[in-house]
Amino acid sequence: AQTVTQSQPEMSVQEAETVTLSCTYDTSESDYYLFWYKQPPSRQMILVIRQEAYKQQNATENRFSVNFQKAAKSFSLKISDSQLGDAAMYFCAYQEYGNKLVFGAGTILRVKS
Amino acid sequence: NAGVTQTPKFQVLKTGQSMTLQCAQDMNHNSMYWYRQDPGMGLRLIYYSASEGTTDKGEVPNGYNVSRLNKREFSLRLESAAPSQTSVYFCASSARGTSEEQYFGPGTRLTVT
Repeated sequence: AQTVTQSQPEMSVQEAETVTLSCTYDTSESDYYLFWYKQPPSRQMILVIRQEAYKQQNATENRFSVNFQKAAKSFSLKISDSQLGDAAMYFCAYQEYGNKLVFGAGTILRVKS
Repeated sequence: NAGVTQTPKFQVLKTGQSMTLQCAQDMNHNSMYWYRQDPGMGLRLIYYSASEGTTDKGEVPNGYNVSRLNKREFSLRLESAAPSQTSVYFCASSARGTSEEQYFGPGTRLTVT
């Protein structure tokens, strides 16, 4: 079964600085999708960014970007110019084509002012 | 559009009681999902419905049943609640269940005493 590992239970960043959250996954497939979801204290799950494995270009969404290393099975999230509103739990998730999402255990991000 | 709605938001049950968690989506999505979220474990899939009229087990189906009532509604039933089912439950939906983004409801916090 596919597994997703987030090795950092908790991270802290100073406001306006950059932070990187790590994610590794295990799969024997070549086609799949990777996601980062944000869960603020409200509990609402919000999609931050999505990456298709067949695309070599790293996905970006405003201040959020990923470093996708397919051979290393690594999918890290970089948040630039961190804001107080970025404080949340972040989940990395893996999905094969036509299959279910598998989530990592999550990383709590704290933003200090 | 309300997106994905769940009722109730909070529930306390005694061991052995039964209850149904309700989920509805107004985005005309084909696929719907039920997850549970426990501390340190991320979200785990309980059951899903790829399309109206079909349901399949996820990673942790024991102790639960589901009903895809129509395209909009997907309910989760606990027939005899156990303390191990204390968790936060999320319903989600997606357009086609492949690489499409999953949209999540606000969650139900269930406590079984």
